[in-house]
Amino acid sequence: DAGVIQSPRHEVTEMGQEVTLRCKLISGHNSLFWYRQTMMRGLELLIYFNNNVPIDDSGMPEDRFSAKMPNASFSTLKIQPSEPRDSAVYFCASTASIGEAFFGQGTRLTVV
Amino acid sequence: AQSVTQPDIHITVSEGASLELRCNYSYGATPYLFWYVQSPGQGLQLLLKYFSGDTLVQGIKGFEAEFKRSQSSFNLRKPSVHWSDAAEYFCAVGDTDKLIFGTGTRLQVFP
Repeated sequence: DAGVIQSPRHEVTEMGQEVTLRCKLISGHNSLFWYRQTMMRGLELLIYFNNNVPIDDSGMPEDRFSAKMPNASFSTLKIQPSEPRDSAVYFCASTASIGEAFFGQGTRLTVV
Repeated sequence: AQSVTQPDIHITVSEGASLELRCNYSYGATPYLFWYVQSPGQGLQLLLKYFSGDTLVQGIKGFEAEFKRSQSSFNLRKPSVHWSDAAEYFCAVGDTDKLIFGTGTRLQVFP
């Protein structure tokens, strides 16, 4: 298995534009987590899914953020409209159960 | 609420020296505990985990950690640090079906 795959690796966009980050889970994993990492706040859990169902989205900062899991192997995180303070590295991670979380390499988002 | 505290933001050691990174957790039941390492520009990689049993767990890259329930701690250790160990280290506690991470400790290694 290629592991958790995120795309794009880097994204530069202008303020106000829509941004979509993508994540492909490891086959057989049933939980998916989206994290945001910044120098100021460290690693923050934004939302997580279990068996394609959103379980806890309390970490999503604003209504501008939304996440979907249309099938068992794929998820998107959308920011619309984007703002400069959204600049961060966004990670997704998947697990088979409560145990080892496998992380993607992250998407570095820069909003100018 | 469950939480993880890593009191040291930044640690600097000389290559070959021993290392201990501190982690304290707050959790109501027997926790699942993890240490992850993040190299620059990379995602997080699992170093080791504790679920139950022997309180001293061995991980990859020569790391070990000891679970001490009385101190609510899960400190990470390595007897001799290598320059390639320079990275950021995250302690995490498993809460039902999600992981709660500490704020991380950045390790710098001098030759």
